[in-house]
Amino acid sequence: QQQVKQSPQSLIVQKGGISIINCAYENTAFDYFPWYQQFPGKGPALLIAIRPDVSEKKEGRFTISFNKSAKQFSLHIMDSQPGDSATYFCAALQEGTYKYIFGTGTRLKVLA
Amino acid sequence: DAGVIQSPRHEVTEMGQEVTLRCKPISGHNSLFWYRQTMMRGLELLIYFNNNVPIDDSGMPEDRFSAKMPNASFSTLKIQPSEPRDSAVYFCASRNREGGTEAFFGQGTRLTVV
Repeated sequence: QQQVKQSPQSLIVQKGGISIINCAYENTAFDYFPWYQQFPGKGPALLIAIRPDVSEKKEGRFTISFNKSAKQFSLHIMDSQPGDSATYFCAALQEGTYKYIFGTGTRLKVLA
Repeated sequence: DAGVIQSPRHEVTEMGQEVTLRCKPISGHNSLFWYRQTMMRGLELLIYFNNNVPIDDSGMPEDRFSAKMPNASFSTLKIQPSEPRDSAVYFCASRNREGGTEAFFGQGTRLTVV
């Protein structure tokens, strides 16, 4: 029940295309859902996050779509660029607690 | 702020040796996490400190692993004796628990045990 399932494991997208990464969770107590971006040799860094009171959050080319009833959320990267090539992790947290539950990661490669 | 600082960035050691990884959290942050990242298991939480006190060490794989936080600005993760299966990237992260939910990660220590 504590797992966050992430798919796909890897993704190759042409420059200008849309990258979509999906995550699913079971624990309905989770109320904070961040996405982290990790470049090779670096630590994960917060990209964008959402709380379940909204169904979508957009920041520039990055959008989180959230489906509370299905317990799923996804990251959409519009107009994908080679500089977006990185590993993306979804996560879930119950605010007031400390335990981030991370997905297994998606390695995204955007072809020039 | 320089962010979370970890040292060393890379460590190669022989099986059986003691390894100590170091972390300096962001000033003012009162929560500190140690994570291990491998291809097989992704990001695993090893231990969590709040106000320098270990709250949850259930992720520490074995007694060979130990972690300390003697003050608010320094933490260590020690492996003694090290084994080849400990090879991974170890991340330290910190958070201001009262100031928000974002966890800030260091650049990690890549440990190779041969």
